[in-house]
Amino acid sequence: EVQLVESGGVVVQPGGSLRLSCAASGFTFDDYAMHWVRQAPGKGLEWVSLISWDGGSTYYADSVKGRFTISRDNSKNSLYLQMNSLRAEDTALYYCAKDISPGSTMPDYFDYWGQGTLVTVSS
Amino acid sequence: SYELTQPLSVSVALGQTARITCGGNNIGSKNVHWYQQKPGQAPVLVIYRDSNRPSGIPERFSGSNSGNTATLTISRAQAGDEADYYCQVWDSITGVFGTGTKVTVL
Repeated sequence: EVQLVESGGVVVQPGGSLRLSCAASGFTFDDYAMHWVRQAPGKGLEWVSLISWDGGSTYYADSVKGRFTISRDNSKNSLYLQMNSLRAEDTALYYCAKDISPGSTMPDYFDYWGQGTLVTVSS
Repeated sequence: SYELTQPLSVSVALGQTARITCGGNNIGSKNVHWYQQKPGQAPVLVIYRDSNRPSGIPERFSGSNSGNTATLTISRAQAGDEADYYCQVWDSITGVFGTGTKVTVL
């Protein structure tokens, strides 16, 4: 059974930093691209970032480019999101999602999602 | 940047057909995926690459995509289909979600 379990969400002050983690199990982690998708309270879904199967390619939404860094450790079946210079508008539930493709060329669709971890940016 | 527009809400009588549209410039040239999200839950894939159903998704869910509009159709709507639905595409390796549609089954 595929499982994605996010952690690391807390309340942080504007300008602060945070690292989210996603522990994956039930599939061959290093065969697939992975994503972070977020959802502000009461709002819609927003794609945040993509990392290819080997970590060699990364992509970001304009809203987080230069502030967030996606990474993965295939030896630990884990995905990460380093979030710096946090703003109030980054407040959201952050989902880890698995892609059906390796992500070496074009990403495809999200076939599994975690339950999310809540990040609140507030003073 | 690429935008996807969905109706804010769609109502459907129990057992009838609901159609949710997703509008985007020449969206017919892209692969469209649809996700269902129930309150307090993570999204679930219901249609991928325009018209394909993942295993475990009822045949009542179908999709089409042409021109500037993609459509998710829910036939014989059930109370359990009440949820928010989001379309999604890739635009130059940037993920884009639609604005979301709340489906109410009357």
